[in-house]
Amino acid sequence: EAQVTQNPRYLITVTGKKLTVTCSQNMNHEYMSWYRQDPGLGLRQIYYSMNVEVTDKGDVPEGYKVSRKEKRNFPLILESPSPNQTSLYFCASSLLQGNSPLHFGNGTRLTVT
Amino acid sequence: GESVGLHLPTLSVQEGDNSIINCAYSNSASDYFIWYKQESGKGPQFIIDIRSNMDKRQGQRVTVLLNKTVKHLSLQIAATQPGDSAVYFCAENGMNYGGSQGNLIFGKGTKLSVKP
Repeated sequence: EAQVTQNPRYLITVTGKKLTVTCSQNMNHEYMSWYRQDPGLGLRQIYYSMNVEVTDKGDVPEGYKVSRKEKRNFPLILESPSPNQTSLYFCASSLLQGNSPLHFGNGTRLTVT
Repeated sequence: GESVGLHLPTLSVQEGDNSIINCAYSNSASDYFIWYKQESGKGPQFIIDIRSNMDKRQGQRVTVLLNKTVKHLSLQIAATQPGDSAVYFCAENGMNYGGSQGNLIFGKGTKLSVKP
């Protein structure tokens, strides 16, 4: 089944403790992206990648890192999480940037205390 | 459950009626548009897309209309069912728009509530 898989689904952590949210897609998509979703603010792009070893900042990149060492994986790294990063996070992939449908994972609910 | 439906415009319809969800987009240079459905606890799910060389596209029970003159997009759902209750987002590809060029830019969404 074609899908985007994120893990974990739920994560509660403390300020400053490094964490990684994994994302994997099995559709051989070149484009991958991370979003955060907050009430009243909608989906905001954090980082995106157009291909292996190519990553770029989205609209809200501060406090996040990503890597794209393989085509299928695009992990999101929070080196020193803070409470304002408490949010619902989505990974997504598509065949082309901005010209084909994005396929989303089921989300990761992160709480930073 | 997830709180993505808070603070959103809400459309309430009777089961069996047709629903129309509207979206105003920002960039006249956008040439690709998508509608997504997001149910509670899930990621956004692709419904239908349309390119700027078309003004109408139909899927199963859904129709998207594009009016480039007034930068307006609408999603029509025929014979709305309880399973259609969700938050619906439009997205444009925002060519040369502020932020990342060519990436999809999402509207904040409309919550559709279907009364049985």
